[in-house]
Amino acid sequence: DTGVSQDPRHKITKRGQNVTFRCDPISEHNRLYWYRQTLGQGPEFLTYFQNEAQLEKSRLLSDRFSAERPKGSFSTLEIQRTEQGDSAMYLCASNPYERSGANVLTFGAGSRLTVL
Amino acid sequence: KQEVTQIPAALSVPEGENLVLNCSFTDSAIYNLQWFRQDPGKGLTSLLLIQSSQREQTSGRLNASLDKSSGRSTLYIAASQPGDSATYLCAAPDNTPLVFGKGTRLSVIA
Repeated sequence: DTGVSQDPRHKITKRGQNVTFRCDPISEHNRLYWYRQTLGQGPEFLTYFQNEAQLEKSRLLSDRFSAERPKGSFSTLEIQRTEQGDSAMYLCASNPYERSGANVLTFGAGSRLTVL
Repeated sequence: KQEVTQIPAALSVPEGENLVLNCSFTDSAIYNLQWFRQDPGKGLTSLLLIQSSQREQTSGRLNASLDKSSGRSTLYIAASQPGDSATYLCAAPDNTPLVFGKGTRLSVIA
């Protein structure tokens, strides 16, 4: 296993178009997270899944955003009717659920979105 | 709601110096705290995870401490090198998801 994979790495789109990002987590990790990061800021939580169940969504996740993890493996994050304010790095991360708290979060390289 | 603050926002030091990065969090009912490194335009790399039952963790030249009662963590970097130049991020959980600080941007000058 080579870690968390994200695709595409870069996406340039025009305002109003839809975009979709894919994340493949580490295979034995049952939890998967999406974060968004803008320049000079720390990552901001968007949503997370445990297996195929979406357990929490941030208020940042407007109705234009939807995330899925249909078979509890890879996940997709779709943004409809993109706006310039959506330009950011979209980061995916995964970890195993550990009651002990020893659940190191592993991040992918991110998908950079530029909305023109 | 968990809030994480990191001080300083930026730091420039000559090679070889020992340095301390600070992190504070508002909700001390955490089960762990993580420190990450981020290189420009890249994803995050986990450096250290401290569980709530631990007071510190060490990995090579890095040592992280955790004081839950005061809501503080520090990352100590010994004998800094130019390759340590990056942004260092602290993250504490808000229930399950991690909440990140804005990071400390470190430059180590050769």
